[in-house]
Amino acid sequence: DIVMTQSPESLAVSLGERATITCKSSQSVLYSSNNKNFLGWYQQKPGQPPKLLISWASTRESGVPDRFSGSGSGTDFTLTISTLQAEDVAIYYCQQYYTNPPMFIFGPGTKLEIK
Amino acid sequence: QVQLQESGPGLVKPSETLSLTCAVSGGSFSGRWWSWVRQPPGKGLEWIGEVGPDGTTNLNMSLKSRVTISVDNSKTQFYLSLSSVTAADTAVYFCARNHNFAFDPWGQGTLVIVSS
Repeated sequence: DIVMTQSPESLAVSLGERATITCKSSQSVLYSSNNKNFLGWYQQKPGQPPKLLISWASTRESGVPDRFSGSGSGTDFTLTISTLQAEDVAIYYCQQYYTNPPMFIFGPGTKLEIK
Repeated sequence: QVQLQESGPGLVKPSETLSLTCAVSGGSFSGRWWSWVRQPPGKGLEWIGEVGPDGTTNLNMSLKSRVTISVDNSKTQFYLSLSSVTAADTAVYFCARNHNFAFDPWGQGTLVIVSS
C-alpha cells in the first residue's frame, strides 16, 4: 500500500516568520512522460472546503499569494510560507496522484497556528 | 467562474444508499473529469472516485464495491451513490473539478449523517 506522511502534525509559528511543512510518499509521483510531479497542496480553514494552493508540486495557482511556495520531487516535497500572516492559520494537506491504478491520496494534514 | 454545489439528503439510515448530486455552473463541463471527496468530522480527506466525460470512472479501491459515480453532460451534473452505509460513512461530502491532477474548485460540501 502507498503511504503518505506529513510532518509535523501541528506547527506554531510567529507572525512574519517562515513555516515549513513536509510531505513524503512511499512511491514516487514523478512521471517521466512529462517530467512533472503529481503533487498538490491545499489549505483548509474551518467550515470551508479545501483550497488548492499549488499543483505540479511547485506551480502556484492563480490568486495565491507569492509567500506560498512548493518544492521537491519524486517522494519528498515541501510547502513553505515565507512570512506567516494571521489568515494563514489553517490545516494544510498534500495530495498525490498515482497512475496504476488511477488514484488520489491525501496526506493526513498539518495544523498551522500562530505562536 | 466554475461553481459546484452538492445536494442530497442530510440523513441516511444504516444499510441504505447515500445519493448525492453535484451541479456545476459557470464554466465548461464537457471534456472535464470530476471527483467526489469526503471528510469525516474532525478528520482528513478521502478521495472517493472520479468520472470522466464519457462516464468512465476510477474509484477508491477501499470503497469500490459500494460506489457508483455517473455524469449527465446535458444537465452539467454528476452523481454519487454509496450503498450499504454505516456510521463510518458519516462525513462532509465534497464534489470537485479535477485540475492538474489535483482538485479545483470545490463545492462547499454537504454533511451526511448515517443514523437510524
